[in-house]
Amino acid sequence: SYELTQPSSVSVSPGQTTSITCSGDKLGDKYACWYQQRPGQSPVVVIYQDNKRPSGIPERFSGSNSGNTATLTISGTQAMDEADYYCQAWDSSTANVIFGGGTKLTVL
Amino acid sequence: QVQLVESGGGVVQPGGSLRLSCAASGFIFSNYGMHWVRQAPGKGLEWVAFIRSHGSNKYYAGSVRGRFTISRDNSENTLYMQMNSLRAEDTAVYYCAKDVSGVTVGYFEYWGQGTLVTVSS
Repeated sequence: SYELTQPSSVSVSPGQTTSITCSGDKLGDKYACWYQQRPGQSPVVVIYQDNKRPSGIPERFSGSNSGNTATLTISGTQAMDEADYYCQAWDSSTANVIFGGGTKLTVL
Repeated sequence: QVQLVESGGGVVQPGGSLRLSCAASGFIFSNYGMHWVRQAPGKGLEWVAFIRSHGSNKYYAGSVRGRFTISRDNSENTLYMQMNSLRAEDTAVYYCAKDVSGVTVGYFEYWGQGTLVTVSS
């Protein structure tokens, strides 16, 4: 079955740039998206179709996807960005939605 | 504005059944695919099932196939999940989510607040 792998945790200082990776076999051939989930809240999409930002999502969030890795980049990280982040893709061969295991972003 | 309100969660014994509902408003429900996604306590997100806009196609995660059934009533703007033969590992918050597409699987554009299902004796 198809799997997406993320680091379990990432730390960043306020104002710095951080990246969260998501790895899967030929992930670049699929669309990747990213969700932010703050404690006690429902997830919110921050990046869809690899690199598109929904309205209302700050410009500091960006995405890329190539080869076997999708990357979520947060520039000028703020304290409010501290959350769990999940990557997601659609595996057409199994007709399944796949989530990565999630990355806890800590803003120190 | 889009609203998704789940209901029907609760405590059920192993082997029991439960039916979840998701009342949708703020968009043309019959035009969009819908999903159920769950999250076990302290764990990550797990996709459960998807149904196309007119209910013609349904997809399930392997962990629930044969036990769970997703359905929808477009006249009532409501999504359902019938859960049978429940196991302890089905304990989770269950979210309904609106897909951005009506036919293919796109991404989860909106999420409800979730309803907690606890399977325990």
